[in-house]
Amino acid sequence: SQQGEEDPQALSIQEGENATMNCSYKTSINNLQWYRQNSGRGLVHLILIRSNEREKHSGRLRVTLDTSKKSSSLLITASRAADTASYFCATVLRLTGNQFYFGTGTSLTVIP
Amino acid sequence: DTEVTQTPKHLVMGMTNKKSLKCEQHMGHRAMYWYKQKAKKPPELMFVYSYEKLSINESVPSRFSPECPNSSLLNLHLHALQPEDSALYLCASSQEAAASNQPQHFGDGTRLSIL
Repeated sequence: SQQGEEDPQALSIQEGENATMNCSYKTSINNLQWYRQNSGRGLVHLILIRSNEREKHSGRLRVTLDTSKKSSSLLITASRAADTASYFCATVLRLTGNQFYFGTGTSLTVIP
Repeated sequence: DTEVTQTPKHLVMGMTNKKSLKCEQHMGHRAMYWYKQKAKKPPELMFVYSYEKLSINESVPSRFSPECPNSSLLNLHLHALQPEDSALYLCASSQEAAASNQPQHFGDGTRLSIL
């Protein structure tokens, strides 16, 4: 399977704390994207990092990419209760255009 | 509100029924996708349409039949489904299918239950 692995599977933190989730993948990628999914809803795109980038920021989000280790991390700073959701990384393989392979996901709970 | 609209939101059907899921986007995107998502699992790609033509079929059983009548609409026709087909079916779109540095925009899905 080309599916990525995420850890932890579940994460529970207090509001105001930082949340870090990790994604590992298996093959060479063109880019890696992170998505959020609230319960019962579709996925929402958060951030895209290209294979030649090492770090990217968007608001309270910070994404890193280490292609030598085939891994990425998503950091959410100063978490809020509204950040409670499942977070998925999606890898876009170098040779397959826009086919997404989603990681197993991290379920984040932010306690007010 | 999402820019990709899926109907119906919920569908309950028997194994002998025929039904269709619908997806619509008006962002001018030329690539559209169907995903299947089981509870607490990631979405799994089923089909990709690029410029209204089927470009990828991820070995999906023939009881699922996609159709792209025009660049804004995507249907998924269902027939003789099995209980294990119960899942959330997500539609997504992106500007192009071949250009990979683009996000996908998802609808909120159709929750399908097979009795």
